[in-house]
Amino acid sequence: GAGVSQTPSNKVTEKGKYVELRCDPISGHTALYWYRQSLGQGPEFLIYFQGTGAADDSGLPNDRFFAVRPEGSVSTLKIQRTERGDSAVYLCASSLPAGRSSAGELFFGEGSRLTVL
Amino acid sequence: DQQVKQNSPSLSVQEGRISILNCDYTNSMFDYFLWYKKYPAEGPTFLISISSIKDKNEDGRFTVFLNKSAKHLSLHIVPSQPGDSAVYFCAASYMDSNYQLIWGAGTKLIIKP
Repeated sequence: GAGVSQTPSNKVTEKGKYVELRCDPISGHTALYWYRQSLGQGPEFLIYFQGTGAADDSGLPNDRFFAVRPEGSVSTLKIQRTERGDSAVYLCASSLPAGRSSAGELFFGEGSRLTVL
Repeated sequence: DQQVKQNSPSLSVQEGRISILNCDYTNSMFDYFLWYKKYPAEGPTFLISISSIKDKNEDGRFTVFLNKSAKHLSLHIVPSQPGDSAVYFCAASYMDSNYQLIWGAGTKLIIKP
């Protein structure tokens, strides 16, 4: 499809395991974002890529979280030693280069629901 | 410390009437505000935005009003339709970090037939 694609849609894992979540952005969108949404809250910023590089990773909660975008398209969010508090919906979004003309107008995927038991 | 607040978790409105969703913010550095709409099991979709240099922006049935002195914005939907039933999120950004949106917790709008 033409939209942002995220896999898996659901992931159940055990505490301490490693998890990878994948995001395939809209073709031609150079900006890519990861957000996390916990139950009853709005999305929370994690990291922003412009091309291949992480322009801002200030939202990553700790060093167990890491994201890559090696070819400037698909991105993978990696979570090591998962904890129950990591349970949330992880949203990926993409956009044209972040600039004033398109500020904040992000195109979101359906999210990956992570449950850590 | 919530910088963007949506104090009404839910709102129920009769079909055909006006829906008014409210949002308050605390950071005076915010200069761009957006509303997103979210259906269950889908990602948020952009609805309408407003720059801080304006006090109103209209797009069809949707109008966003910004009151900078009160640090308050609202989304008006007229007339409300059943398909408008969704969760509405208010979000804000500022010039030095215009890619990083700060979101409210959302308001669930229910349109009654």
